Amino acid sequence: EADIYQTPRYLVIGTGKKITLECSQTMGHDKMYWYQQDPGMELHLIHYSYGVNSTEKGDLSSESTVSRIRTEHFPLTLESARPSHTSQYLCASSESGSGNTIYFGEGSWLTVV
Amino acid sequence: QKEVEQDPGPLSVPEGAIVSLNCTYSNSAFQYFMWYRQYSRKGPELLMYTYSSGNKEDGRFTAQVDKSSKYISLFIRDSQPSDSATYLCAMRNTGFQKLVFGTGTRLLVSP
Repeated sequence: EADIYQTPRYLVIGTGKKITLECSQTMGHDKMYWYQQDPGMELHLIHYSYGVNSTEKGDLSSESTVSRIRTEHFPLTLESARPSHTSQYLCASSESGSGNTIYFGEGSWLTVV
Repeated sequence: QKEVEQDPGPLSVPEGAIVSLNCTYSNSAFQYFMWYRQYSRKGPELLMYTYSSGNKEDGRFTAQVDKSSKYISLFIRDSQPSDSATYLCAMRNTGFQKLVFGTGTRLLVSP
């Protein structure tokens, strides 16, 4: 069982507000990821990190930003939320090495009104 | 054309049925194949992980990979109502661990 935690699980917030979605893992994994998933749709990678001070944008363009100051922590920030940001955000992590699988957190459901 | 194609369903079966879930893909460089189960409003949970071609069995679940046909399957034997969820296939090549996901197949197992 993966030890990866996301908060908040559910958030309803007004347009223009700043949001930070927290993600922490206790497995010591080097690699961490943020995926976005709309209901009934596939997951899209929006950010990833190979390790501390490493962040890259994923396949799906996103107005969010991430930081990786500590191995276990990979927060995602939206400076000014819009209704188009309403979605589920999934954090994940994996060990280094080609044969290692990705483990997901429970997800953060964001609704911007 | 998407790199990974998966029928979204829903697939409805009675309890005890054998379920077959499938994905096709176009990238011959994919080497690692995974099946995830996702319950409503939860994160995906890793079910099966296979490297290259062949079969892998774990309890009621069997994963098959046919690289020559670019086709992977997940079989669920003696399906239970608790198996009702969305099943996502995912795959990647060696090197960077970016996973490419299918859209997921929604499975409904009725008592």
